[in-house]
Amino acid sequence: GAVVSQHPSRVICKSGTSVKIECRSLDFQATTMFWYRQFPKQSLMLMATSNEGSKATYEQGVEKDKFLINHASLTLSTLTVTSAHPEDSSFYICSARDGSPGQGFDEQFFGPGTRLTVL
Amino acid sequence: AQSVTQPDIHITVSEGASLELRCNYSYGATPYLFWYVQSPGQGLQLLLKYFSGDTLVQGIKGFEAEFKRSQSSFNLRKPSVHWSDAAEYFCAVGEVGDYKLSFGAGTTVTVRA
Repeated sequence: GAVVSQHPSRVICKSGTSVKIECRSLDFQATTMFWYRQFPKQSLMLMATSNEGSKATYEQGVEKDKFLINHASLTLSTLTVTSAHPEDSSFYICSARDGSPGQGFDEQFFGPGTRLTVL
Repeated sequence: AQSVTQPDIHITVSEGASLELRCNYSYGATPYLFWYVQSPGQGLQLLLKYFSGDTLVQGIKGFEAEFKRSQSSFNLRKPSVHWSDAAEYFCAVGEVGDYKLSFGAGTTVTVRA
């Protein structure tokens, strides 16, 4: 199946700094990427939908100025956590949808996740 | 809005025994239903999906799931578990049109020897 990578896999930063997480589709073009947040022992919560070349659509309650999403190319989306605080510590997961013609609902592939710890 | 409930937080099963994970959903129309498995250090992997048609669907790794509209359920089963099946399992419902997924809280499966 298709591969989605995330970088870094783990990051520790100081409170007040910004952190960028990359999500790449390695062998397909991702017209849509999704960003999720997962708390320990909890479900994945969709944060935003990112479409290549357009602004991201954020879910209710997600601060768009804190979580900046850029989908500049068909293989790369980035999530920047700005002015990070300890409560932003979490596991961030991206998924990418193969938008090729004929692809159905199930063509969404997940990255391995990024563990963010804010001190 | 759709929602997904996985009533069992943690299940322990002996290797070789059968496994059933429960999933109930709330959705106004015919749902797109999925089961994913998450292993440490790896991304979510799709086990199987239901869109329409035969209500018993077969997936990878020997898993199957049955869609029961009357019970709003999509339970996952495996006849004989292997130690490698120890992982976190998520049920999800998909929203038609924008491909968003709503996930249940997950069930942790522990396999004992």
